Amino acid sequence: DTGVSQDPRHKITKRGQNVTFRCDPISEHNRLYWYRQTLGQGPEFLTYFQNEAQLEKSRLLSDRFSAERPKGSFSTLEIQRTEQGDSAMYLCASSPDIGQGNTGELFFGEGSRLTVL
Amino acid sequence: AQSVTQLGSHVSVSEGALVLLRCNYSSSVPPYLFWYVQYPNQGLQLLLKYTTGATLVKGINGFEAEFKKSETSFHLTKPSAHMSDAAEYFCAVSEAGQGAQKLVFGQGTRLTINP
Repeated sequence: DTGVSQDPRHKITKRGQNVTFRCDPISEHNRLYWYRQTLGQGPEFLTYFQNEAQLEKSRLLSDRFSAERPKGSFSTLEIQRTEQGDSAMYLCASSPDIGQGNTGELFFGEGSRLTVL
Repeated sequence: AQSVTQLGSHVSVSEGALVLLRCNYSSSVPPYLFWYVQYPNQGLQLLLKYTTGATLVKGINGFEAEFKKSETSFHLTKPSAHMSDAAEYFCAVSEAGQGAQKLVFGQGTRLTINP
């Protein structure tokens, strides 16, 4: 049984560089979520996909951030022109659709930690 | 809009003592409530959840929580703390039956266990 997988686990980059994170959800899950967690805080919602459709985006998701889920399976989160304030843990989660065993729980990956120097 | 308040960003108890982590929520519709645990540099693992039915819910590792609608609370307890319980704990709420079902998290409570 494979859970949610995220890659890379750690990324150190210089300010101004672009970075991309990948998330592979649990295979039968239609819903995919991205969250951001800064030090000492709870996770904050960024965006949500149902299959390949991006249905909701938080105001936290500035125009430097873009997320895709082209085939309704894995997803990528790209940050362009990184800033030091982007340093955080980026968490991906998935869940089944309503009527397909959804109990409200999100299943989280281990996260991708970004450090912007 | 939903929100979660966790009272106490840091709780310290002795090994074997009662653990009580407090969570109050705000929701305009019947909530689903969750407690997640996070160990250093790891993702979040579900401890327990309340959706409907019995208001006292039991989770993994001996934890339990009680949904009290009148107090808008969902406090997490464990009768006897173990060293392995040291971690960050997050309470979360989502709106029952809504489309996205995204979770709104509290700021977390760091639990330290003293030997």
